[in-house]
Amino acid sequence: NAGVTQTPKFQVLKTGQSMTLQCAQDMNHEYMSWYRQDPGMGLRLIHYSVGAGITDQGEVPNGYNVSRSTTEDFPLRLLSAAPSQTSVYFCASSMTGTNTGELFFGEGSRLTVL
Amino acid sequence: GNSVTQMEGPVTLSEEAFLTINCTYTATGYPSLFWYVQYPGEGLQLLLKATKADDKGSNKGFEATYRKETTSFHLEKGSVQVSDSAVYFCALRTGFQKLVFGTGTRLLVSP
Repeated sequence: NAGVTQTPKFQVLKTGQSMTLQCAQDMNHEYMSWYRQDPGMGLRLIHYSVGAGITDQGEVPNGYNVSRSTTEDFPLRLLSAAPSQTSVYFCASSMTGTNTGELFFGEGSRLTVL
Repeated sequence: GNSVTQMEGPVTLSEEAFLTINCTYTATGYPSLFWYVQYPGEGLQLLLKATKADDKGSNKGFEATYRKETTSFHLEKGSVQVSDSAVYFCALRTGFQKLVFGTGTRLLVSP
């Protein structure tokens, strides 16, 4: 009963380093998305995908790349980390056939950029 | 633009107390509204929703009514339990599965 799995749960980077946050879901959901959660700002949408091979930008996409080569996986890449990217990152998925607004979230990945 | 405003937390209550967490929104038209809950160490999960004016969403003893005239969707529960301690997020839908979230309100319930 895995649902949405994010790795790593915690990561510390130095400015300029690159890394990938992994997200995998086993519910055969076509829609996947990444949010960041910052104090006093709620969750903000970074990128999203409505199916394999299709991605699009959300509200705060700068500094992040995504790709969607399979239905199950939706990695988020930071090419050159900056302190402003210190945040908690959540991956979420849902079925595409219904626009219910119900998203299934992973447990989050806490990233600190020094 | 679209936005959601929630009351500042934390909200601290004793078990069996009445809970209200205020949420107001700004949006074009009449978006669907949601409450999500985040328990410690877990991801967010949908608690309840309402899709049109005067709808009441309910789940696990929590209720919220979509008030068009006051642009509000306040969360209520008649008798909270320690297990309800969590962070609660109000949200509205702006597009296909795209949600705008409030800042979250932490609820702490003591025995």
